[in-house]
Amino acid sequence: GNSVTQMEGPVTLSEEAFLTINCTYTATGYPSLFWYVQYPGEGLQLLLKATKADDKGSNKGFEATYRKETTSFHLEKGSVQVSDSAVYFCALSDGSGGGADGLTFGKGTHLIIQP
Amino acid sequence: KAGVTQTPRYLIKTRGQQVTLSCSPISGHRSVSWYQQTPGQGLQFLFEYFSETQRNKGNFPGRFSGRQFSNSRSEMNVSTLELGDSALYLCASSGQPGAYGYTFGSGTRLTVV
Repeated sequence: GNSVTQMEGPVTLSEEAFLTINCTYTATGYPSLFWYVQYPGEGLQLLLKATKADDKGSNKGFEATYRKETTSFHLEKGSVQVSDSAVYFCALSDGSGGGADGLTFGKGTHLIIQP
Repeated sequence: KAGVTQTPRYLIKTRGQQVTLSCSPISGHRSVSWYQQTPGQGLQFLFEYFSETQRNKGNFPGRFSGRQFSNSRSEMNVSTLELGDSALYLCASSGQPGAYGYTFGSGTRLTVV
């Protein structure tokens, strides 16, 4: 079956530091890949997505590149802010459109940015 | 446009009771899926509906069920509640299932006592 592995944290960084959150996946088909963010007390917000190999998703200064050869989709941001503090989830969706398992999520990475 | 609306936001139930949660998707979205989020198990897929038909179901017991109406609104029901059912239940909608990403609601926090 499908699976997603990501570092769980917490990851603590200082403001303006460079961020990398690693995400690797296992999938039988050709999945689409997503990063979601969850702020305290709220649901999930789609941060960015990539639907095929070598695609780069980007939003709000965050980027991730779909690497099929390494089955990875690492999240990066050049300069983090306190407002980026949240839990980040890497996820995949069965790219065949069958959606057999809905979205498969990683365990989530709790990011804490200190001023 | 309005986002995904889940009601109620908070719910407290007693073990053995049943509960119904509601989800109204974004206007025009025909796919609705449900997820359970707990600290121990993380986010787990419950089921997905598209045009009133259940397309697939996660690995949950039969006490968990759902349905979708002709206006795409969806409900999920949990019967014979157990303490372990305490969780945040999230609903997500999409124009089409699969590759396009899903928009999530704020969730219903269910506490079973």
